[in-house]
Amino acid sequence: AQKVTQAQTEISVVEKEDVTLDCVYETRDTTYYLFWYKQPPSGELVFLIRRNSFDEQNEISGRYSWNFQKSTSSFNFTITASQVVDSAVYFCALSEARKSTFGDGTTLTVKP
Amino acid sequence: DTGVSQDPRHKITKRGQNVTFRCDPISEHNRLYWYRQTLGQGPEFLTYFQNEAQLEKSRLLSDRFSAERPKGSFSTLEIQRTEQGDSAMYLCASSLAQGRVNNEQFFGPGTRLTVL
Repeated sequence: AQKVTQAQTEISVVEKEDVTLDCVYETRDTTYYLFWYKQPPSGELVFLIRRNSFDEQNEISGRYSWNFQKSTSSFNFTITASQVVDSAVYFCALSEARKSTFGDGTTLTVKP
Repeated sequence: DTGVSQDPRHKITKRGQNVTFRCDPISEHNRLYWYRQTLGQGPEFLTYFQNEAQLEKSRLLSDRFSAERPKGSFSTLEIQRTEQGDSAMYLCASSLAQGRVNNEQFFGPGTRLTVL
């Protein structure tokens, strides 16, 4: 069975701090995709990043970076130099052949 | 085409009534998903279409729920004999499938259902 766990329910940081959001997943499939989505107060989910199970190379995209480790089934997401506009709920998602499973989200509050 | 649209945005109904929601995906997207989201939870997968074929349906989905995508474009989600536990935000998402690659999903604004 697929499962995504985001152990951090809420995180609060001060602007310009770096923040890492944790995600641990479970799957029996060898081919799968991992995503991070952002849900701002307005409510609409927005795609941020994607990684497939065969590519463990970690990357940086602007202020976003991610750390994918198959050995620990983790897909952590870091925001560098956080801004107030980063305040939102962040969801980690696991996508297999036909189904997507989301975690329960981490609410990030960035204070000025 | 600016994105995924859903109609209505809000629906209030009485217990026992039937409701139907519509989703219009991004036009070139061949995959369409329905999710349900309650407060403090992540989106819960309900069902998924590739073109007009419904390829997966959650085992959590009762027989009161049915979805269609008749021409591989828009989709409808119907809930029959609504119950108070059906109150939630219903989200639609679409994506462009390229072989076995699971591309990112683009979400609509959702339909908020309140069952009195």
